[in-house]
Amino acid sequence: DGGITQSPKYLFRKEGQNVTLSCEQNLNHDAMYWYRQDPGQGLRLIYYSQIVNDFQKGDIAEGYSVSREKKESFPLTVTSAQKNPTAFYLCASSMGNSGYGYTFGSGTRLTVV
Amino acid sequence: QKEVEQNSGPLSVPEGAIASLNCTYSDRGSQSFFWYRQYSGKSPELIMFIYSNGDKEDGRFTAQLNKASQYVSLLIRDSQPSDSATYLCAVNYDMRFGAGTRLTVKP
Repeated sequence: DGGITQSPKYLFRKEGQNVTLSCEQNLNHDAMYWYRQDPGQGLRLIYYSQIVNDFQKGDIAEGYSVSREKKESFPLTVTSAQKNPTAFYLCASSMGNSGYGYTFGSGTRLTVV
Repeated sequence: QKEVEQNSGPLSVPEGAIASLNCTYSDRGSQSFFWYRQYSGKSPELIMFIYSNGDKEDGRFTAQLNKASQYVSLLIRDSQPSDSATYLCAVNYDMRFGAGTRLTVKP
C-alpha cells in the first residue's frame, strides 16, 4: 500500500544535539512538506520541496535544515540552533503543487531532555 | 501575511445535531480549500476539498465555499461521538492551515 512513513515515532534530543527525522513516501508524489505542531496549535510550515534537489523555506525555517536528494525522501534535521524543538513534526506529500491536498505521515514527537 | 482563521472552539454539539465549522481566508486569489480531521495525538486526514463556489456534499459532510466573502465552512449532519476531533481548514496555494476547531459530540 502507498503511503508516507515517518520515523522514529518518538525521539528524545539532548541540549546541543542535532537530530534527523526521516520521511519516506511511495506515492510518487512530487511535492513534500514539513510542518510543526505545538500543543493546541495549528500546523506551521517549516520547509517544502516541489522537485528533487530543490526546496524552499517556510514560515519557521530557522534552526532546521532539509535535503531532497531522492523523490521519495525528505529528511528534516533539527539543529542545536532550534531553541525550542519540542513539538509534533508532520511530514506530508502531494501530487503536483499543494492544490491537490496532502497525505500526511503519522508524525514524530520530539522532546528535549 | 496571508491568513487562514478558524474559531478555535471548543465546539460542543449533541449527538445527531448539525455541527458547523467556519474558516475565513485573506488571499482573494486562493483557489483550493481543504478540510482535514485530526484525532488527538494523530496526524491530519483529508476529508473534504472544494474548488468552486457553492456546496459540495459527501455523505454526512457538506463543504460550502463563498469566494466573494472569503469563507469556507464544513457542516457535519447527524453528528456522532466518533466525529469528535479537531478540524483544520487549509488554503493550499498558501500551504497554510488554520489553528483548527475542536469539536466534541456528546452522546
